Amino acid sequence: ETGVTQSPTHLIKTRGQQVTLRCSSQSGHNTVSWYQQALGQGPQFIFQYYREEENGRGNFPPRFSGLQFPNYSSELNVNALELDDSALYLCASSLSKGGKDTQYFGPGTRLTVL
Amino acid sequence: AQTVTQSQPEMSVQEAETVTLSCTYDTSESDYYLFWYKQPPSRQMILVIRQEAYKQQNATENRFSVNFQKAAKSFSLKISDSQLGDAAMYFCAYSKDDKIIFGKGTRLHILP
Repeated sequence: ETGVTQSPTHLIKTRGQQVTLRCSSQSGHNTVSWYQQALGQGPQFIFQYYREEENGRGNFPPRFSGLQFPNYSSELNVNALELDDSALYLCASSLSKGGKDTQYFGPGTRLTVL
Repeated sequence: AQTVTQSQPEMSVQEAETVTLSCTYDTSESDYYLFWYKQPPSRQMILVIRQEAYKQQNATENRFSVNFQKAAKSFSLKISDSQLGDAAMYFCAYSKDDKIIFGKGTRLHILP
């Protein structure tokens, strides 16, 4: 059974640039959720994708967008990067949509915006 | 709006002792799910324990158990026989439908 993987591990961007983060879900999981974890804070829910459709969104602006592919892998895109976007971005997959199932987390992508 | 509060930013416990981490939440819902997740240093977050709100029985997983008080909206985690490998950030999380909310976490130190 393959776990959740994320790429890249680390990324450095400058303010105003765009970034794409990638996530491969655990085998058998059709749902992917994305979280932003600032230093010393808990994860904040960005959005969730279920079978290629967005299923729920947290309090994040539209410049945070996502995609889910037929193989259930997913991308998080952030446009017009701001300094406050510097954080660990976590992807988690689960067996079904919503939040009732256990989330299986990836190792995260550390994004630094200069 | 739902909120999750972990009032202890850091805690320490002697190896082999018992420690309890606190979590309170605010919701007007009656059916929801609660979780404790563990995030070891530089390692992936993993589930510790899961509780369904409609079940009165407290969930247990080996050395980990919860005290779920629905009326008080409290969901504390008890770790028995603490081990060095238990050192981590612990996050309490609430979910209902498409909402998933995490607390700010409690850093647990295990003293040898």
